[in-house]
Amino acid sequence: DSGVTQTPKHLITATGQRVTLRCSPRSGDLSVYWYQQSLDQGLQFLIQYYNGEERAKGNILERFSAQQFPDLHSELNLSSLELGDSALYFCASSLASGRPTGELFFGEGSRLTVL
Amino acid sequence: GENVEQHPSTLSVQEGDSAVIKCTYSDSASNYFPWYKQELGKRPQLIIDIRSNVGEKKDQRIAVTLNKTAKHFSLHITETQPEDSAVYFCAASISGGADGLTFGKGTHLIIQP
Repeated sequence: DSGVTQTPKHLITATGQRVTLRCSPRSGDLSVYWYQQSLDQGLQFLIQYYNGEERAKGNILERFSAQQFPDLHSELNLSSLELGDSALYFCASSLASGRPTGELFFGEGSRLTVL
Repeated sequence: GENVEQHPSTLSVQEGDSAVIKCTYSDSASNYFPWYKQELGKRPQLIIDIRSNVGEKKDQRIAVTLNKTAKHFSLHITETQPEDSAVYFCAASISGGADGLTFGKGTHLIIQP
């Protein structure tokens, strides 16, 4: 158990809909990262938050948004869903941004299926 | 931005043999290179990492080598066992840590009995 909790584990929805994925980082971790894992694309970095503020953006679509709340949990919002958004979405946390701690602790992932 | 290429995409080896997975990176400022292992249906987990001031690092049956001049690094697994079957991801960053990690597309390692 990494200590990172993601909900829901599985989600099936239709095109055009909106979903919210939730992540609670390890106790004490200030940074939260979101990754998308598709079959052919490996782990694609979407966005990072550090202590409530956006720290870095990766290949995140404009239809997607995220935020980190004062209690450090984070939510990833996916809207106007398309078939191609079907993927496994991982949240990860680390101790502090910028420090050479290195390790990302991943949650179990949220598998999104868009029909 | 950083680009990380990983080869091969699939690697099948006999149990007990060695396996080598190779990665190249594009940004010469990269200074941190972790390897993550993802078993089927599980989350990725860090298995070993190396920083740019070190050429090689070992941990029991696994080792990582780094060639900064050529901008490539490799994962070596010796005496492979069935539990080594997984997808392995290399990654690189210029932050010295988890920030800005760019992952390769992964190598599916299959250990044949």
